[in-house]
Amino acid sequence: DADVTQTPRNRITKTGKRIMLECSQTKGHDRMYWYRQDPGLGLRLIYYSFDVKDINKGEISDGYSVSRQAQAKFSLSLESAIPNQTALYFCATSESIAGVGETQYFGPGTRLLVL
Amino acid sequence: QQQVKQSPQSLIVQKGGISIINCAYENTAFDYFPWYQQFPGKGPALLIAIRPDVSEKKEGRFTISFNKSAKQFSLHIMDSQPGDSATYFCAASITGSARQLTFGSGTQLTVLP
Repeated sequence: DADVTQTPRNRITKTGKRIMLECSQTKGHDRMYWYRQDPGLGLRLIYYSFDVKDINKGEISDGYSVSRQAQAKFSLSLESAIPNQTALYFCATSESIAGVGETQYFGPGTRLLVL
Repeated sequence: QQQVKQSPQSLIVQKGGISIINCAYENTAFDYFPWYQQFPGKGPALLIAIRPDVSEKKEGRFTISFNKSAKQFSLHIMDSQPGDSATYFCAASITGSARQLTFGSGTQLTVLP
């Protein structure tokens, strides 16, 4: 987990506030991801980025935006937070190993509560 | 649209028993099937993975069984230990494409001492 760090680890905010979750990695990977985890729903992809100039929407991008400031940094923003965005958020990086597949490395997560 | 269905949602096993978690997929283009393990307060971490050219892969007490015709794969944990208590996610992807990992909904495993 130390190779992928997330800040803050916990955050409480109010409905309508803008917040930013930050992710940094020292693994040197080009690919980075943001997921949210909800009980019974597993991990759902919000956004992903293959390099600084390549950002793509995942399956649940509405209400979120991202910024890839550098290869090592990928931030997730909630422009106007709402209670159903209360969840555990994970950043991940990945490498693709030829003939094997893609391994993703997850950060420790940010627990967000929107009141 | 859930492309990878995982069951059960929760599982309780006695120490020394066998834990079995099942996943089924719909997309026949998937060609890489990893399992991730998540301990409380931590992010998921790769546990073991399989490609469809083999029917079984074993690493220590963890085994993946793969049934291509049934589009199903499962994780078996032999001699389950309390330290195995965690949430397990199956996943699937298409190697070499822009498609990402599709995760199952997770199974919370509790191994009783």
